[in-house]
Amino acid sequence: KAGVTQTPRYLIKTRGQQVTLSCSPISGHRSVSWYQQTPGQGLQFLFEYFSETQRNKGNFPGRFSGRQFSNSRSEMNVSTLELGDSALYLCASSKTGGRGEAFFGQGTRLTVV
Amino acid sequence: ILNVEQSPQSLHVQEGDSTNFTCSFPSSNFYALHWYRWETAKSPEALFVMTLNGDEKKKGRISATLNTKEGYSYLYIKGSQPEDSATYLCAAYGGATNKLIFGTGTLLAVQP
Repeated sequence: KAGVTQTPRYLIKTRGQQVTLSCSPISGHRSVSWYQQTPGQGLQFLFEYFSETQRNKGNFPGRFSGRQFSNSRSEMNVSTLELGDSALYLCASSKTGGRGEAFFGQGTRLTVV
Repeated sequence: ILNVEQSPQSLHVQEGDSTNFTCSFPSSNFYALHWYRWETAKSPEALFVMTLNGDEKKKGRISATLNTKEGYSYLYIKGSQPEDSATYLCAAYGGATNKLIFGTGTLLAVQP
């Protein structure tokens, strides 16, 4: 059974640019959540998508957006990048969301210069 | 659920020592408590998901307990081994927000 796949693994962008990250969940999982991890902050919840609908959103500015496609693949977009957006972005898939075990991808390491 | 706290932040033990970590969370509107192990250069992997007050789960040398009335969970590792070195994350899921909120983790280092 294939795990959660995130692409790209590493990314370097310049301030002001925009970036799109991709997450392919485990087959059959309808929930995809995105997290930002920075040193000392732990995993900060960005948003969750379930069956193509955003079910919940964390406390991030509107520059952070996402979507989910009919095959449950999800993308996250960050516009007008800032230095503080440099982080590891993890996605996690599950069958039902927070009530069940989450399976994480290996993450995308974004560096904004 | 707004705030999940873990203690200690880090722990250094000798091989063979037993250890435990604490996770505290708001007890209102609680649905589930998760524990994950995150090894360097890997993805977080689920250890346990618990939902009922008094739940106790075990996987090998690792076990966890849950108290939903007072809002805490303990993770125990018996006879720590160097391969147990990792960051241990807990996360709480509550019905009011439908968010899985993570604590900042406990970094465990086991010296051989």
